[in-house]
Amino acid sequence: NAGVTQTPKFQVLKTGQSMTLQCAQDMNHNSMYWYRQDPGMGLRLIYYSASEGTTDKGEVPNGYNVSRLNKREFSLRLESAAPSQTSVYFCASSEDVGGLGGYTFGSGTRLTVV
Amino acid sequence: AQSVTQPDIHITVSEGASLELRCNYSYGATPYLFWYVQSPGQGLQLLLKYFSGDTLVQGIKGFEAEFKRSQSSFNLRKPSVHWSDAAEYFCAVGGQTDKLIFGTGTRLQVFP
Repeated sequence: NAGVTQTPKFQVLKTGQSMTLQCAQDMNHNSMYWYRQDPGMGLRLIYYSASEGTTDKGEVPNGYNVSRLNKREFSLRLESAAPSQTSVYFCASSEDVGGLGGYTFGSGTRLTVV
Repeated sequence: AQSVTQPDIHITVSEGASLELRCNYSYGATPYLFWYVQSPGQGLQLLLKYFSGDTLVQGIKGFEAEFKRSQSSFNLRKPSVHWSDAAEYFCAVGGQTDKLIFGTGTRLQVFP
């Protein structure tokens, strides 16, 4: 099925551990995004990639790094996980940054840091 | 700075009743406006969008929204709610070259 695929779906980390969240889209979209969703705070943009080869910070980038591996894949890395990073993470993609066609979202990764 | 406000955190309606979810935005230029729905444990799905033209836009699942520039609003409506509409709804604003900014969401509960 066409869309955005995120792995893993669930993850528990200990404080200080590192991990990478993977995201891949097969719609030939240029732009990709990482959001975190916390209760009462909606979706907050962590990082985005307007096009292959570029990445930029969003609203809440501290503690994260990203890599736009190719046009299809955009990964999010937590170098040293903290309890404050417990959240649900969503990857999204769009044809361009303006998202005139709307953003397509993955089903999310639920991360718990203990 | 652009922003989106969804004043209702939680709304409860009876099945078959009408629904209106409020969304107010702040944006310096012509806004692009969106409504998304999120079912439990799922990602967000696009319901409808407005860029220009007719201010009343139709979306999937029987939803519609009306853009009112004078009120900076883009409220979502449905004439008759079904139990399967229970979900969280997000309004978002963007522009031609701007990333989308999302509201904090409204959780809809539907009673039989």
